[in-house]
Amino acid sequence: AQKVTQAQTEISVVEKEDVTLDCVYETRDTTYYLFWYKQPPSGELVFLIRRNSFDEQNEISGRYSWNFQKSTSSFNFTITASQVVDSAVYFCALSERGNTPLVFGKGTRLSVIA
Amino acid sequence: NAGVTQTPKFQVLKTGQSMTLQCAQDMNHNSMYWYRQDPGMGLRLIYYSASEGTTDKGEVPNGYNVSRLNKREFSLRLESAAPSQTSVYFCASSESRQITVGNTIYFGEGSWLTVV
Repeated sequence: AQKVTQAQTEISVVEKEDVTLDCVYETRDTTYYLFWYKQPPSGELVFLIRRNSFDEQNEISGRYSWNFQKSTSSFNFTITASQVVDSAVYFCALSERGNTPLVFGKGTRLSVIA
Repeated sequence: NAGVTQTPKFQVLKTGQSMTLQCAQDMNHNSMYWYRQDPGMGLRLIYYSASEGTTDKGEVPNGYNVSRLNKREFSLRLESAAPSQTSVYFCASSESRQITVGNTIYFGEGSWLTVV
C-alpha cells in the first residue's frame, strides 16, 4: 500500500533562512510519481512539482529545489532564502504506477517570520 | 481560465440535512476527484471518477454519494449530514487517470462545510 509521511508538522524560520521539508514515501511499485503542493492561507492548492520514479535528477526552480533519493525513499523540498510569502502548508503526495489517485501526506505548516 | 470550479464555497448545515457540492472543470479532463481535508490529516480521497460514466470509492466514502453528470461535472452529495463531515472539500481533475510527464492533477479552491 502506498503511504506518504511528512514528519514535520510545523516549522518556523526567520526570513532569509533556508528550510527543508521532509517527505518519506512507501510503495511496492517501481513506477510511481511524487508531487509537492503548496496551500497558502487563502486555501487553494498550488501544484509545485511532479517527479517520476525513473528520474532521480534533482530539480531547481528559482529558490525551490527538490532532492529525490530512492535509496531512502525520500523526496525532500528545500526553500532557499525563505520569504514571508512562502508561509503555507506544503503537501507531498504519491501516485503508484501513475494511475492511482494521489495519496497525500499530512502536510507541513511553514511559517516564515519577518 | 476557470480551471476547476466548486460551489458553494461556504455552507453551514444542520445535522441530518442533505446537500450537494458541485464541481465543474473546463479543461476537457477525463478524471475527477473529491477529497476532504481535516486538520492534521492531510487530504483524503472520498470518491473519484476515472472517466465519464464510472465512479470508484476512495479512502473515506462512507456518508457520501457522487454523480459524474457528464465529462465536465462531478457532484458530491451528503444525504444526511453529520458533524464528522465538517471539513474542507476539494474537487480535482486530471487529463486522465494515468499520470504522465505531461499530466497532473488540478484542484478547485475548496468548499468549507460546517455541520452543526
